[in-house]
Amino acid sequence: GDQVEQSPSALSLHEGTGSALRCNFTTTMRAVQWFRKNSRGSLINLFYLASGTKENGRLKSAFDSKERYSTLHIRDAQLEDSGTYFCAAERGSNYNVLYFGSGTKLTVEP
Amino acid sequence: AQTIHQWPVAEIKAVGSPLSLGCTIKGKSSPNLYWYWQATGGTLQQLFYSITVGQVESVVQLNLSASRPKDDQFILSTEKLLLSHSGFYLCAGGGEEQYFGPGTRLTVL
Repeated sequence: GDQVEQSPSALSLHEGTGSALRCNFTTTMRAVQWFRKNSRGSLINLFYLASGTKENGRLKSAFDSKERYSTLHIRDAQLEDSGTYFCAAERGSNYNVLYFGSGTKLTVEP
Repeated sequence: AQTIHQWPVAEIKAVGSPLSLGCTIKGKSSPNLYWYWQATGGTLQQLFYSITVGQVESVVQLNLSASRPKDDQFILSTEKLLLSHSGFYLCAGGGEEQYFGPGTRLTVL
């Protein structure tokens, strides 16, 4: 079955506002990565977390292995933040296999 | 910083023809390397990974094979393409954190 449940599948924000994306895991994960899809379809790294929180500019991510979830918070959203965001997690048994969420399509409107 | 190069950028191939996609990584010694595939409108699926030269592990079987002839090189291939092989192929590399290449778009007709 699916290891990673990502929500919401789509999100619309007005400029200057914020929200959170969430990934729930059906099993204990060792670490999580967050990506953003670029215009060509490849993935840009946003965060890698084995625990706790990380912040970069207007983005902040958290990972709780015990509670089986990770979040990506976006604050003060800008038009250029629009795009599709993915989480991906690795299990402790084999960190070479990444389990991807289905993605969140974020649209930031003026 | 590590960089990943993939070739070709895009390919249009006939059903039944052979395929070879390449990936090289620079800026990291003894990297782990990965192949992913995404069908149009589908989710990203991991196909193969390699921890070291000459060793490749399969994650999902799609009638494809992979080889790692050099420390910095990962090859994805098949002798006979299927229509279902169409999609976007991504190579990734790194240690625990994976970094992705620009991808190859494959159309099988």
